[in-house]
Amino acid sequence: EIVLTQSPGTLSLSPGERATLSCRSSQSLSTSNFAWYQQRPGQAPRLLIYSASNRASGIPDRFSGSGSGTDFTLTINRLEPEDVAVYYCHQYDTSPRTFGQGTKVEIK
Amino acid sequence: QVHLLQSGSEVKRPGASVRISCRTSGYSLTTYFMQWVRQAPGQGLEYIGTIHSTGGSMVYAQRFRGSVTMDRDGDTSTPTFYLDLSGLKSEDTAVYYCAILAGPASSLDYWGQGTLVTVSS
Repeated sequence: EIVLTQSPGTLSLSPGERATLSCRSSQSLSTSNFAWYQQRPGQAPRLLIYSASNRASGIPDRFSGSGSGTDFTLTINRLEPEDVAVYYCHQYDTSPRTFGQGTKVEIK
Repeated sequence: QVHLLQSGSEVKRPGASVRISCRTSGYSLTTYFMQWVRQAPGQGLEYIGTIHSTGGSMVYAQRFRGSVTMDRDGDTSTPTFYLDLSGLKSEDTAVYYCAILAGPASSLDYWGQGTLVTVSS
């Protein structure tokens, strides 16, 4: 199965800063089959980005996704307190689907 | 708007079995895939498997084959999905989610509220 490795494990930033989260795949992926999820404390995950770079419905344009092949990036501009969460990358290119281990974003 | 309503929390002894249900309601999707995902306390998301809305096809993550069974019943527009777990171990303690996730040519994103299964002697 495809292994997704996220870095860093934890990101601690001040409000207004930019967060850059990385996800590396053990195999090359079709760009169409990669997503990012946000999970706030005590909540179910929600889709942020699909097809590597498309924002899901209702997601602020502060969130953007990029990348292809084996390297993907989630960028959060102008960090806000509500962005405190764990972010997971996810591939649905090859069965079984897999998730990265998550990156925790904290506000200083 | 699609709603996924899961059954309530369960406490089971090691070696026992449990069935989790996920009832769909709201806007009727034509065909889709239902996924099951679990999250152990303080841990990340773990994919369990996928079942088609008709029940016609199923895929299991390798580590769950033999210990997990997915099923569905009810009418075609608002079926209920099931996840059966057998031979429970303490490491199966987790919140189990049913979810309709993004897929090729799809940006659907619907999650159940989660079902906590606690395995303890």
